[in-house]
Amino acid sequence: DAKTTQPPSMDCAEGRAANLPCNHSTISGNEYVYWYRQIHSQGPQYIIHGLKNNETNEMASLIITEDRKSSTLILPHATLRDTAVYYCIVRVYNTNAGKSTFGDGTTLTVKP
Amino acid sequence: DAGVTQSPTHLIKTRGQQVTLRCSPKSGHDTVSWYQQALGQGPQFIFQYYEEEERQRGNFPDRFSGHQFPNYSSELNVNALLLGDSALYLCASSPGGGYQPQHFGDGTRLSIL
Repeated sequence: DAKTTQPPSMDCAEGRAANLPCNHSTISGNEYVYWYRQIHSQGPQYIIHGLKNNETNEMASLIITEDRKSSTLILPHATLRDTAVYYCIVRVYNTNAGKSTFGDGTTLTVKP
Repeated sequence: DAGVTQSPTHLIKTRGQQVTLRCSPKSGHDTVSWYQQALGQGPQFIFQYYEEEERQRGNFPDRFSGHQFPNYSSELNVNALLLGDSALYLCASSPGGGYQPQHFGDGTRLSIL
């Protein structure tokens, strides 16, 4: 699985958009990009995933560059409850795809 | 619809003992993976079970073993516990492969004294 690089920490003002970058320059053609977040003492929560097209759901938007070497997770209107560690993962499409390789993630702090 | 459930939530053991952690996957999911998360670090993959067999394994010693039952639930067993095994143990489930995301439980906090 390709490695990912994320900034260790970011701050965001409440109500503003939070843009979390991820570099995955060694991504392969059969690898998807997934984003999770983890709030203290809870398990990672799935947010969104994509292959090469931009994706949007009720939680966030995912923007993947045309060369697929980087992506950005966008929380359109951050709230205090969005304070968490955010993980960007790339994972191979596989009939038994079970392994996700986590880095250290980005600690997002949303401030009032 | 219940998500991934794990038991117990907390556990305290002493060095040399063995422990069994349990996981029930999300409804409709047949693949279960286990992760170890040390304090301040991201989760590390231990192994994955599908069709009651271990399919993938991370860089963990044989002291870590598992089992998957016909109803897709799973157990993680750790023998000869070491102080370094203190961690949050996470279970994740997903439908049979492909690109569908894994869903995680809230984990079992294991403390070794």
